[in-house]
Amino acid sequence: EVQLVESGGGLVKPGGSLRLSCAASGFTFSSYSMNWVRQAPGKGLEWVSSISSSSSYIYYADSVKGRFTISRDNAKNSLYLQMNSLRAEDTAVYYCARVGVTMIVEGYFDYWGQGTLVTVSS
Amino acid sequence: DIVMTQSPDSLAVSLGERATINCKSSQSVLYSSNNKNYLAWYQQKPGQPPKLLIYWASTRESGVPDRFSGSGSGTDFTLTISSLQAEDVAVYYCQQYYSTPPGYTFGQGTKLEIK
Repeated sequence: EVQLVESGGGLVKPGGSLRLSCAASGFTFSSYSMNWVRQAPGKGLEWVSSISSSSSYIYYADSVKGRFTISRDNAKNSLYLQMNSLRAEDTAVYYCARVGVTMIVEGYFDYWGQGTLVTVSS
Repeated sequence: DIVMTQSPDSLAVSLGERATINCKSSQSVLYSSNNKNYLAWYQQKPGQPPKLLIYWASTRESGVPDRFSGSGSGTDFTLTISSLQAEDVAVYYCQQYYSTPPGYTFGQGTKLEIK
């Protein structure tokens, strides 16, 4: 069974940093591109960042470019999001999501984690 | 960026009736080399992550009831629930995955309720 479990969320002050993790199991993690998607309270879905299976291709939404860094460790079946210079508008539930086709970057998201809440507030 | 616009923003349908949600993209998401529309539909129930329903605009994900169907091509797409069930109350999102490099965008969501 495919499982994605996020962790690392919490309350952080504006300008602070946080590192999110996503532990994957039940599939060959190293064969799939992965993504972070966020959802502000009561709002819609916003794609944040993508990373290809071998980390060769990395992309960011303009809203987080220069502040967030996506990475993965295929040996540990884990995806990460380092978030720096956090702002109030970064407050959201952050989901990790798998691309539904192996070895490509662009694709639909077939599995999602339960999400981890990041709150940026003084 | 490709902008995805859904209509309506909210919808109330009687149990057993048809529900139709529309999604329009600001540019075509049809990739000519493989004739595939890079468009997906998701369902999100309160307190839960999104769930994939439809991909390639019309391919139903495994385990999704056949009352859910997707149609359309190019810039105009539709998600249809043929006979609404109580468990279908949710917010529905369309998403394009055509952009290269990836700049995935979602529609604003359509809230579906029981009339």
